Amino acid sequence: DVKVTQSSRYLVKRTGEKVFLECVQDMDHENMFWYRQDPGLGLRLIYFSYDVKMKEKGDIPEGYSVSREKKERFSLILESASTNQTSMYLCASSFLATAAEATDTQYFGPGTRLTVL
Amino acid sequence: SQQGEEDPQALSIQEGENATMNCSYKTSINNLQWYRQNSGRGLVHLILIRSNEREKHSGRLRVTLDTSKKSSSLLITASRAADTASYFCATDSSYSGAGSYQLTFGKGTKLSVIP
Repeated sequence: DVKVTQSSRYLVKRTGEKVFLECVQDMDHENMFWYRQDPGLGLRLIYFSYDVKMKEKGDIPEGYSVSREKKERFSLILESASTNQTSMYLCASSFLATAAEATDTQYFGPGTRLTVL
Repeated sequence: SQQGEEDPQALSIQEGENATMNCSYKTSINNLQWYRQNSGRGLVHLILIRSNEREKHSGRLRVTLDTSKKSSSLLITASRAADTASYFCATDSSYSGAGSYQLTFGKGTKLSVIP
């Protein structure tokens, strides 16, 4: 079974702190994703990565950065946490798909509920 | 940008009844997927239906896809209390060119199955 793990289930930080959220997958997936989930807004894509050291902005990248130094690990960084970044953060991974045969099922971690005070 | 929109937003049924959730989307797709999320947890993939398929079954799940109406439905038959969760549809909205599709998720239908 695919396993995606996230470093913390719950995290409380203060405004202005630098926050690291870690995600690790054990299935040798090429693709990794970071989403945030808020009530009434659903899942929104923050950043994704198709390969080591490669990153692409999603729909809401402002205030975030990412790092992918190893294939199995994808980190989300909040450079200076703000209260509006209080949210549930979900990491996901998937296999590399081809245009002709897209099988882009994503496998999710359990989520990190971040509270910024 | 929101591609899939589920309807209803919330659904409450008795155990043993069938539950039907709908998803509408705006642009052409290659696949549509349904995911389930238990409260406070990550999403779990349930079923994928390709754009050239009209219906697909998996256990108690039945998914239909109507590309002409840009809509899909998820039917859970003989529901159980353990089916209580939020259900999301996801569409592949763009091909990056680097080998993957981004998925765009709807806001979900919250299903409550009362024992």
